Amino acid sequence: DTAVSQTPKYLVTQMGNDKSIKCEQNLGHDTMYWYKQDSKKFLKIMFSYNNKELIINETVPNRFSPKSPDKAHLNLHINSLELGDSAVYFCASSPLRGSGDEQFFGPGTRLTVL
Amino acid sequence: SQKIEQNSEALNIQEGKTATLTCNYTNYSPAYLQWYRQDPGRGPVFLLLIRENEKEKRKERLKVTFDTTLKQSLFHITASQPADSATYLCALVMDSNYQLIWGAGTKLIIKP
Repeated sequence: DTAVSQTPKYLVTQMGNDKSIKCEQNLGHDTMYWYKQDSKKFLKIMFSYNNKELIINETVPNRFSPKSPDKAHLNLHINSLELGDSAVYFCASSPLRGSGDEQFFGPGTRLTVL
Repeated sequence: SQKIEQNSEALNIQEGKTATLTCNYTNYSPAYLQWYRQDPGRGPVFLLLIRENEKEKRKERLKVTFDTTLKQSLFHITASQPADSATYLCALVMDSNYQLIWGAGTKLIIKP
């Protein structure tokens, strides 16, 4: 059983396009996250949702918009893609907000903007 | 400035030996520290969590220490095996918002 799943695994697109990445978790967790991992391997938090409510919104261009239709799903929509958006994007979830507990990660989506 | 540093070079260890990875931080006061393992093309997988009032935590062949005075955590793998080869990431957990701040990871290579 896949705990945190993301689609697609790979996304290759042209500059200026709009794309979405979907994430689903079947762990019953309340909190979900989007991270960006750049070429230097740093993981940087982008957004965090707790039970469909946005709780962390780091300095991310407003071309990036998360959407949480329910607490099991957190999608990421990116408008007007730029070369610098190329990275691996990870979705993650954790049981409770403010618990400091472990996070469970999806397999990642490698986005390449040409 | 705030930063987290892990060994930037890959660490090569002979099978059977103990591998020790370092996570140093400056200008942070984390409530917790977590260690994750990341294999190529995959997401990080949680290994251990240690709280600021804990000196040491163990799980099977893994041991983590946390020295808030030195602002350092050490991650040990005893009796290392080639299957332990991966990148290991440390993450500080701030008690203000429980956000994770990540190091860049250390690539560990265990040679048979």
